[in-house]
Amino acid sequence: EAQVTQNPRYLITVTGKKLTVTCSQNMNHEYMSWYRQDPGLGLRQIYYSMNVEVTDKGDVPEGYKVSRKEKRNFPLILESPSPNQTSLYFCASSWQMNTGELFFGEGSRLTVL
Amino acid sequence: RKEVEQDPGPFNVPEGATVAFNCTYSNSASQSFFWYRQDCRKEPKLLMSVYSSGNEDGRFTAQLNRASQYISLLIRDSKLSDSATYLCAVNIGYGGATNKLIFGTGTLLAVQP
Repeated sequence: EAQVTQNPRYLITVTGKKLTVTCSQNMNHEYMSWYRQDPGLGLRQIYYSMNVEVTDKGDVPEGYKVSRKEKRNFPLILESPSPNQTSLYFCASSWQMNTGELFFGEGSRLTVL
Repeated sequence: RKEVEQDPGPFNVPEGATVAFNCTYSNSASQSFFWYRQDCRKEPKLLMSVYSSGNEDGRFTAQLNRASQYISLLIRDSKLSDSATYLCAVNIGYGGATNKLIFGTGTLLAVQP
């Protein structure tokens, strides 16, 4: 089954404790991206990757890191989480960046206390 | 001004009603357009692309008005299962190889029995 898998789906953590949200896709997609979704603000792009070893900042990259060492994986790293990073996070993938046809993971709800 | 704007709703309609949503975009370099559906606490899923000539899929019709810079989604004969948030997405070309997919904040539809 074609899918984008995120883990963990739910996480409560404390300020400053490093965490990683994993994302994996089995569709051989070149393009992957991370979004956060907050009430009233919609989906905002954090980072994206055009292909292996190619990553770039989205609209709200502060406080986040990513890596793309393999085509299928695109982890999101919060080195020192803060309460303003409490949000619903989605990983998405697509054949290419400009198709607009994104496949989303089920989301990861993160709470930072 | 936001690059992509939607009326957040909610749109409360009875079963069987016809309902229409609009989504305005500000960048005339916008190249492609999409409607996504997001159920409560779930990931967005592509509903349909919006072509210049319009696009119809069963009870759903999407249209593009480039002159007035908006896209629309029409749902006929609404079903209870249509209740969801509908996100528009606009692919904006900033030149070169970099395109950007911008999401609206979504319009909430609640179909009442």
